[in-house]
Amino acid sequence: EAGVAQSPRYKIIEKRQSVAFWCNPISGHATLYWYQQILGQGPKLLIQFQNNGVVDDSQLPKDRFSAERLKGVDSTLKIQPAKLEDSAVYLCASSLFRVRDTQYFGPGTRLTVL
Amino acid sequence: DAKTTQPPSMDCAEGRAANLPCNHSTISGNEYVYWYRQIHSQGPQYIIHGLKNNETNEMASLIITEDRKSSTLILPHATLRDTAVYYCIVKAGGSEKLVFGKGTKLTVNP
Repeated sequence: EAGVAQSPRYKIIEKRQSVAFWCNPISGHATLYWYQQILGQGPKLLIQFQNNGVVDDSQLPKDRFSAERLKGVDSTLKIQPAKLEDSAVYLCASSLFRVRDTQYFGPGTRLTVL
Repeated sequence: DAKTTQPPSMDCAEGRAANLPCNHSTISGNEYVYWYRQIHSQGPQYIIHGLKNNETNEMASLIITEDRKSSTLILPHATLRDTAVYYCIVKAGGSEKLVFGKGTKLTVNP
């Protein structure tokens, strides 16, 4: 079974530029999550989708971050414009059932903002 | 905020059992204890979870105290590949949100 795929694996941009990350969850997983992990800390949930609807985006900085999951499969997370403090690893995860099921994480995208 | 307390780091000799403690003194009756680990430069990986009974799978064993205020993750025969950050997470059954703390960095030494 293929795991969660993410691209790119690494991205370096200058502040005020835009960037987008892509995630392809495990086939059949209805729930998709985006996390931000700053160096030395645990991952923090940014947004959660159930199929193509948003379940929780309370931690998403909506003035600069946006995410979509068209057709309930792939998802894109965008930052526009980026700030220095956005430097982090962005992790995508998916799960099969909404309640109590385990989450499967992708390898992440490491973003460096200069 | 994370509802658990873990030591920041631990060491273990290769081949020996690694016992990782977690304190969750404010756990509610409907909350499960989950363990994930994150190997360097990889995403977190699910290990095991439990409610009140001890659990075992091919990766580890989870021992939860009778009062459920603490638990221990046991890796019976640690290998160098078990070097990782281990996260203990308390999560309600009706909620999907995983709230990660800083975890325990386990170093398995040869």
